[in-house]
Formats: sequence, C-alpha cells, structure tokens
Amino acid sequence: SAVISQKPSRDICQRGTSLTIQCQVDSQVTMMFWYRQQPGQSLTLIATANQGSEATYESGFVIDKFPISRPNLTFSTLTVSNMSPEDSSIYLCSVSGGQETQYFGPGTRLLVL
Amino acid sequence: DAKTTQPTSMDCAEGRAANLPCNHSTISGNEYVYWYRQIHSQGPQYIIHGLKNNETNEMASLIITEDRKSSTLILPHATLRDTAVYYCIVRATGTASKLTFGTGTRLQVTL
Repeated sequence: SAVISQKPSRDICQRGTSLTIQCQVDSQVTMMFWYRQQPGQSLTLIATANQGSEATYESGFVIDKFPISRPNLTFSTLTVSNMSPEDSSIYLCSVSGGQETQYFGPGTRLLVL
Repeated sequence: DAKTTQPTSMDCAEGRAANLPCNHSTISGNEYVYWYRQIHSQGPQYIIHGLKNNETNEMASLIITEDRKSSTLILPHATLRDTAVYYCIVRATGTASKLTFGTGTRLQVTL
C-alpha cells in the first residue's frame, strides 16, 4: 500500500484567509482525490486531482473555493480559500492503489475562527 | 453507485467475532463491495473488497450473499483496537470510480 503524508496535520485559521494543504505519496499513482469530513459526519468527495489537467469537481464544490494542483504523479495540493467557520473540517487526500482500492492520508484538521 | 444500508451502531465483546451487516439491494453486476474503517482521528483504512465470491485476508472475511444484495464483514477475534466506524461501499470497476461514503456502523468493542 502507498504511504501518504499530509501537511499541515492541523491548523487554526482566521476567517477570510486561505490555507494550502499538501499531499505527498511515496510512489507514483494515477489518481488522487480530496475529501472533506465535517464534524461528526461522513466523508464527502471534493474533487479528483488530475495530473496535467484541471481537477474534476463534485457537485457543490467549485474551483474558486477549492483550487487544486497536481504537478506530478506523487504530489497534490488543495487550497481552502476565503475561509469561514463552516470550512472547519478534516480534509483528506487519497490515492488509487492496486486491486482498485484507495488509500487515505492521515488528514488535515482545520479550525476556522 | 448503488446505495448501502448499515446499522448505526453495534457492540462486540473483545475476543468474539464481530459480524457487520450491509444491505445493497440495488447493486449492479459490475459493482464491487468494499469495506473501510475509520478509527477515531485517523484517515479511513481499506479492509477488504469482493465481487461475488467470499473473500478473506489478514484483517477480515467478507461474505456476500448469492444474490449479492447483502454482505457481512467478519472480524474473527475483535480487539479494543477494532473500535471504529465501518463503512460498506459499493463501487463500479475502474480506478476513476469514486468512493461514496455513507454513515457507516460504529462498532464498539468492549472488555
């Protein structure tokens, strides 16, 4: 299985600011995904990060709010822009693995004040 | 992707088998059954998946009914470290196919 790291692991931010979350994988992967988990809730897919092209966003998520970069096959970033307290969540990166599985990073815990 | 129905919560005594059911009555022929779990404050962990045959690995066994409308995840000897939320997900083949998480079953393993 892939080893996935995320930075930062947690952060406290002021409303109106932006935070960029990094996801690093120890091997090249085809697909990378970004999920959000709001307090007490299940995971919701934000977007699929495509290498060399624009990310594919799920319904309810837009590029202006959650810009994503995927410069190569081992790295991706998610930016949470113009944050409000409603953006307080855990943000998780996942990657496609063998046998059609997905592996998840440890998550970034964001609190917006 | 087909939807799944799981009990909200279950308890299991340590050392006993934990049997977690999942209903997926609208599953399509090309959809696999996946199980993930999320231990508190961690990212989800892949457990097992299957198409129609029963599967077993070092973590668990997956029993899928013949009509594929339901399945059961079995943890043969539950420990306190198995306390987590368990998600049953059905997903079509192809790595581009997203995982849609439901609310899962909160398994509490007790002494």
